Amino acid sequence: AQKITQTQPGMFVQEKEAVTLDCTYDTSDPSYGLFWYKQPSSGEMIFLIYQGSYDQQNATEGRYSLNFQKARKSANLVISASQLGDSAMYFCAMREWRDDKIIFGKGTRLHILP
Amino acid sequence: DGGITQSPKYLFRKEGQNVTLSCEQNLNHDAMYWYRQDPGQGLRLIYYSQIVNDFQKGDIAEGYSVSREKKESFPLTVTSAQKNPTAFYLCASMEGNTEAFFGQGTRLTVV
Repeated sequence: AQKITQTQPGMFVQEKEAVTLDCTYDTSDPSYGLFWYKQPSSGEMIFLIYQGSYDQQNATEGRYSLNFQKARKSANLVISASQLGDSAMYFCAMREWRDDKIIFGKGTRLHILP
Repeated sequence: DGGITQSPKYLFRKEGQNVTLSCEQNLNHDAMYWYRQDPGQGLRLIYYSQIVNDFQKGDIAEGYSVSREKKESFPLTVTSAQKNPTAFYLCASMEGNTEAFFGQGTRLTVV
């Protein structure tokens, strides 16, 4: 069954440090996509990064990179040089191509300390 | 500008009443989704639709209903059968294999 697991309910990180948010997934579909979203206190969902199951290289978008380890079914988000504005909820999500269903993990609340 | 519009932003419902949440997109996306988010929790899938006139139940469909009569519209009805409807509801749409676009959400409160 399709499943996303985020094991870190909350994290505290010092400003300017790098941070890794964990995400593991489970699927029987060989074709899928993995996403990370940021949700500030306003509630909007901000797309950060996407990784396809057939992509050979890890995705990167500015300060965000996705550490994709397919054999381990792991898709960790790495934020380099964290900023105070990075404080938010972060969600990992997966879409299976066979039925377009998108499911989300429970999220990690990240706190950046000055 | 293209995007997804959810309305209203805040909605109050009396117990025992049905209420419909609106979701409209002008992105020409085929797939649309409804999620429920409870405080401090993740997003749980209620219903999704891959094409017009077709939709599938998500993980928590009980007490909800949807329709997809037009490509750009995917309204969600919260029925009286939903025992705990107070939550934040998010609508999304997607095309291809990139990102899902989200609306600003509707916060529903039962009074």
